[in-house]
Amino acid sequence: DGGITQSPKYLFRKEGQNVTLSCEQNLNHDAMYWYRQDPGQGLRLIYYSQIVNDFQKGDIAEGYSVSREKKESFPLTVTSAQKNPTAFYLCASSPGQGNEKLFFGSGTQLSVL
Amino acid sequence: AQSVTQLDSQVPVFEEAPVELRCNYSSSVSVYLFWYVQYPNQGLQLLLKYLSGSTLVKGINGFEAEFNKSQTSFHLRKPSVHISDTAEYFCAVSDTGRRALTFGSGTRLQVQP
Repeated sequence: DGGITQSPKYLFRKEGQNVTLSCEQNLNHDAMYWYRQDPGQGLRLIYYSQIVNDFQKGDIAEGYSVSREKKESFPLTVTSAQKNPTAFYLCASSPGQGNEKLFFGSGTQLSVL
Repeated sequence: AQSVTQLDSQVPVFEEAPVELRCNYSSSVSVYLFWYVQYPNQGLQLLLKYLSGSTLVKGINGFEAEFNKSQTSFHLRKPSVHISDTAEYFCAVSDTGRRALTFGSGTRLQVQP
């Protein structure tokens, strides 16, 4: 089946630790996105990539980093500089023209120990 | 910069009653408008989208939305809701430049028997 796979479903981070969230898609989509979801705040864009080896900061990129070495993969690293990382993280993809729907993964819940 | 405002954080409604979820946007350029639905602990699914043409857009599960350019609104409606419509609903806007969606804060629809 085609779709987006996020792993792990739940992740715990210790103080000062970097953690990486995985996002893989087999839809052959050019564009991929990372959103952070907090209760009552909706989804906020962290980073997005419209093509391999290129990505742009979203609205809340501080404390996060990404890479796009392969078309199907867009991992997100939550660094120790992100002081409030507890949130639900959603990855999405689209063909990349801006007027089509996003396909979302099932999300990763990150919590701080 | 674009933004989306969903005025109602929660909307309780009885089963088989009509419902309207409000969405207003601001943007200095032409936009595409979307409504997504999120069921608990899942990613988002597209309900409907407005790109151009007819201002009344019909989506899945009996939902429809009307684009009003003068009022910069894109309200979502359903004439008769079911228990299964209980979920969180997000309005989103995409301008033709950035090609990444900006989401509203969400409206939780609670359908009661």
